[in-house]
Amino acid sequence: GAGVSQSPSNKVTEKGKDVELRCDPISGHTALYWYRQRLGQGLEFLIYFQGNSAPDKSGLPSDRFSAERTGESVSTLTIQRTQQEDSAVYLCASSFARVSPLHFGNGTRLTVT
Amino acid sequence: AQKITQTQPGMFVQEKEAVTLDCTYDTSDQSYGLFWYKQPSSGEMIFLIYQGSYDEQNATEGRYSLNFQKARKSANLVISASQLGDSAMYFCAMPSSMNYGGSQGNLIFGKGTKLSVKP
Repeated sequence: GAGVSQSPSNKVTEKGKDVELRCDPISGHTALYWYRQRLGQGLEFLIYFQGNSAPDKSGLPSDRFSAERTGESVSTLTIQRTQQEDSAVYLCASSFARVSPLHFGNGTRLTVT
Repeated sequence: AQKITQTQPGMFVQEKEAVTLDCTYDTSDQSYGLFWYKQPSSGEMIFLIYQGSYDEQNATEGRYSLNFQKARKSANLVISASQLGDSAMYFCAMPSSMNYGGSQGNLIFGKGTKLSVKP
């Protein structure tokens, strides 16, 4: 079956513009996660969706960041008024509800100029 | 709060030899799990192996095994018979909480260890 799909794979934007990143999780996976990885760094948790529960937004770095998920399918991560420090790879992952490995997409590389 | 520590920023190993990548953790939970992921230079994150805190035996998956020492709060990854394709970043991770009634929550990752395999 298909894995986690993210689009676009690369995005270059000007400082101050809004960007929208998309994630299609594996079918049947109820949990969906967004992480950020700056160059040479580890993964930084952003937001987590689990079924119909309220999302865990504790990792969002500022109110410029927001994410939505429609049911147990597609999720979009929106960054408003992008800043240069937003440049990073944004990784999406999904998993079953119970303890199970995260399956990651290939990420979106965001460059803010 | 959960915390993962990987103290080796970089490691070198000769091809065909075994290597151990260190991971220590801190948690007040009685039940928890440890994950290891591999990230090659291409960027994708690949799940390698999982150890549950109540698992009686150390986890093994092919050439990967976990040296799980609960009392020391360590879950070191052992890679046997290293191959050139093992060169990558390796991340240790654990759930922020373990709620068997629901989900595991998000994963907390260590800073990673960069493994380089020499021919």
